[in-house]
Amino acid sequence: EAGVTQFPSHSVIEKGQTVTLRCDPISGHDNLYWYRRVMGKEIKFLLHFVKESKQDESGMPNNRFLAERTGGTYSTLKVQPAELEDSGVYFCASSLRGMTEAFFGQGTRLTVV
Amino acid sequence: DQQVKQNSPSLSVQEGRISILNCDYTNSMFDYFLWYKKYPAEGPTFLISISSIKDKNEDGRFTVFLNKSAKHLSLHIVPSQPGDSAVYFCAASEWQGGSEKLVFGKGTKLTVNP
Repeated sequence: EAGVTQFPSHSVIEKGQTVTLRCDPISGHDNLYWYRRVMGKEIKFLLHFVKESKQDESGMPNNRFLAERTGGTYSTLKVQPAELEDSGVYFCASSLRGMTEAFFGQGTRLTVV
Repeated sequence: DQQVKQNSPSLSVQEGRISILNCDYTNSMFDYFLWYKKYPAEGPTFLISISSIKDKNEDGRFTVFLNKSAKHLSLHIVPSQPGDSAVYFCAASEWQGGSEKLVFGKGTKLTVNP
């Protein structure tokens, strides 16, 4: 069975550009989460989808970040326009039930220069 | 303000010896604690967990201890193996706004020397 898959694995963009990260959860997992780890800091929660609905987006840093999960399958996280402080590793996780049973993807390393 | 703290950024131990990784938390409402292991260029993988109503959970070479009064937990790995070399994250589960999320520490990089 395929795990949580994230694309791309790395992305280097210039400040002001737009980047879209994608996450394919494990098939059948209604819960999908986005987390990110900024350099040297802890992994922090961004948001939680249940199917296509945003259950909790309290961790989204600002309105430059837009997450979608059309059809309740894969999810995208768009950063527009990107700023230097957005650099970090963005993790996606999915689960059948809660976060304590979630599986993480390998992450997307975003570098904004 | 960090709610979950791993005060040791790194730890080095000899193969066969015990590794002890520590974690402190501040929020008494946390009801579940987890340890994750992370290799470079991979996502965190679940290792072991403990409910707040217990004080110990064991799984093979891995044991997690919880001291609620001290708001402290620790992960013991014995015997340590070179393949255990990774970054270990402590995480606590909290429910807010109808959603469960994890609050992570900054991680401790464990190196097990052959």
